[in-house]
Amino acid sequence: NAGVTQTPKFQVLKTGQSMTLQCAQDMNHNSMYWYRQDPGMGLRLIYYSASEGTTDKGEVPNGYNVSRLNKREFSLRLESAAPSQTSVYFCASSESSTGIRRYGYTFGSGTRLTVV
Amino acid sequence: QKEVEQNSGPLSVPEGAIASLNCTYSDRGSQSFFWYRQYSGKSPELIMFIYSNGDKEDGRFTAQLNKASQYVSLLIRDSQPSDSATYLCAVNNDYKLSFGAGTTVTVRA
Repeated sequence: NAGVTQTPKFQVLKTGQSMTLQCAQDMNHNSMYWYRQDPGMGLRLIYYSASEGTTDKGEVPNGYNVSRLNKREFSLRLESAAPSQTSVYFCASSESSTGIRRYGYTFGSGTRLTVV
Repeated sequence: QKEVEQNSGPLSVPEGAIASLNCTYSDRGSQSFFWYRQYSGKSPELIMFIYSNGDKEDGRFTAQLNKASQYVSLLIRDSQPSDSATYLCAVNNDYKLSFGAGTTVTVRA
């Protein structure tokens, strides 16, 4: 099925460990996004990639890095995990930064990350 | 001031009633407005978008937009237990969507 695929779905890390969250879309979308969702705070943008080859910081980028590997894939890396990074992470994509006006985002199924 | 604010809820309505959800936004340049539904433990799914002042209807859902008041709302008519979810208001600013914290709706059978 076409859509946005995220891996893993669940992960438990110890403080200080690193990991990479993977995201891939097969809709030929140009723009991709990483959000985190915490209770009572809604979805907050971590990083985004408006097009292949570009990445930019969002609202809460500290402690994260991203890589736009190609048009399909956009990964999020935690270099040294902290308990404050316990959250649900969503990857999303849109046709383009202009197409977003009519179509919004398509979301992946999310990664539930716990840092102990 | 948050970019997007929603009535915090939770909102409990009896089956068959109208659920009314409200959202205000701060950026007058915002162009498009979206409502997403999110079931517990699932990802958000798009249910409505609107970009012109007035009402837009899709089945039991009606979105209303008033750009002068920077206000967007969602009405759910004939509410069903399957409508029990968190509803996220999202506003398009240039390259991205900004989201409200969500309003949780429970439909009582």
